[in-house]
Amino acid sequence: QQQVKQSPQSLIVQKGGISIINCAYENTAFDYFPWYQQFPGKGPALLIAIRPDVSEKKEGRFTISFNKSAKQFSLHIMDSQPGDSATYFCAASIRTNFGNEKLTFGTGTRLTIIP
Amino acid sequence: NAGVTQTPKFRVLKTGQSMTLLCAQDMNHEYMYWYRQDPGMGLRLIHYSVGEGTTAKGEVPDGYNVSRLKKQNFLLGLESAAPSQTSVYFCASRPRGSNTEAFFGQGTRLTVV
Repeated sequence: QQQVKQSPQSLIVQKGGISIINCAYENTAFDYFPWYQQFPGKGPALLIAIRPDVSEKKEGRFTISFNKSAKQFSLHIMDSQPGDSATYFCAASIRTNFGNEKLTFGTGTRLTIIP
Repeated sequence: NAGVTQTPKFRVLKTGQSMTLLCAQDMNHEYMYWYRQDPGMGLRLIHYSVGEGTTAKGEVPDGYNVSRLKKQNFLLGLESAAPSQTSVYFCASRPRGSNTEAFFGQGTRLTVV
């Protein structure tokens, strides 16, 4: 059972365009939503993250939009560049008495930026 | 600063063989995780640990065992490897506290024939 559903599975965007990746979740106990970026042959690395008490977070060309009522969040990459070509994972973390230990990932989106 | 180091990087096993994957972190992180990555399935949590001597099951724990005898090490064991365990395995660690960043190793590519 996939607790975090991610779409699309793959995405091709022209250089300079906007890349949009979407995620949805069911468990309202999730309260931390990071995005990770993975290049071939490497481990994932944190790109940007948001908490559900804000609706948007922007870092450079990367923006997370968060809709708590719809239980959805998305990653927008503005002015997409060939160097952004990678696999992107959304994730969600569950709060427990010990803190947010369990980190659950989506299925990933392979993004390709073409010239 | 090495971060998270996984050993080995590649391995081929025969069905029924056993092996242990080692994850070592030098950041003094409390939490450690083992994931497997398969095409179209994303990263699925196998087991995790919130501290030395403690472990817990993730989404896909069957066929795997783990141990965290030292804070800096998290071992993943396959007692009797099966072809379905062919995958890329990633270890990650993160500090205690809400909303902390997870740091990943470079991965171990395991093939079971």
